[in-house]
Amino acid sequence: EPEVTQTPSHQVTQMGQEVILRCVPISNHLYFYWYRQILGQKVEFLVSFYNNEISEKSEIFDDQFSVERPDGSNFTLKIRSTKLEDSAMYFCASRGTPGETQYFGPGTRLLVL
Amino acid sequence: EDQVTQSPEALRLQEGESSSLNCSYTVSGLRGLFWYRQDPGKGPEFLFTLYSAGEEKEKERLKATLTKKESFLHITAPKPEDSATYLCAVRDFGSQGNLIFGKGTKLSVKP
Repeated sequence: EPEVTQTPSHQVTQMGQEVILRCVPISNHLYFYWYRQILGQKVEFLVSFYNNEISEKSEIFDDQFSVERPDGSNFTLKIRSTKLEDSAMYFCASRGTPGETQYFGPGTRLLVL
Repeated sequence: EDQVTQSPEALRLQEGESSSLNCSYTVSGLRGLFWYRQDPGKGPEFLFTLYSAGEEKEKERLKATLTKKESFLHITAPKPEDSATYLCAVRDFGSQGNLIFGKGTKLSVKP
């Protein structure tokens, strides 16, 4: 069964460093999303991406964040200068058509020291 | 403002003891309501999508129902392997696809 994959599973970085989180969405899906979940809190939307551009973003998704689909399979989230409060699980999700269901990847646990 | 409230926050059941989890939502127009299961340190695993009031979906010991203001996830004769956090999320017609999640209900099923 097709699934969303994410790499790395864990990432530890120093405050101020850049990180890139990678996702491979389900192959025939067209809509891509990033969410985050701070430990013990609810899953929060960051950004949605369709047709090679951002379609919606939350207040969390400020200028330090960017997304890219560099080729036909990968979808990336870049955090330019990490802060302590960026420590969280980051989930990628994808959605096909028709239908509204988003399928989530296993997540990347980011720890900023 | 769109909101999703789940209750209870935590639920402890004995194996075989059926119960229900609640998800109350406020949206301007519901495009879909979603139930996911999340195990510790893992991503949300899709369970059900409900689109309109009166709709019901079933999968093994789980049954999801939807009204105009809330959804229930009924668990019949649960087993220890059903222990997980169950997440409810909604999509509003006005959004570009983002899901609004509740905080979840942490279910523990003891043998």
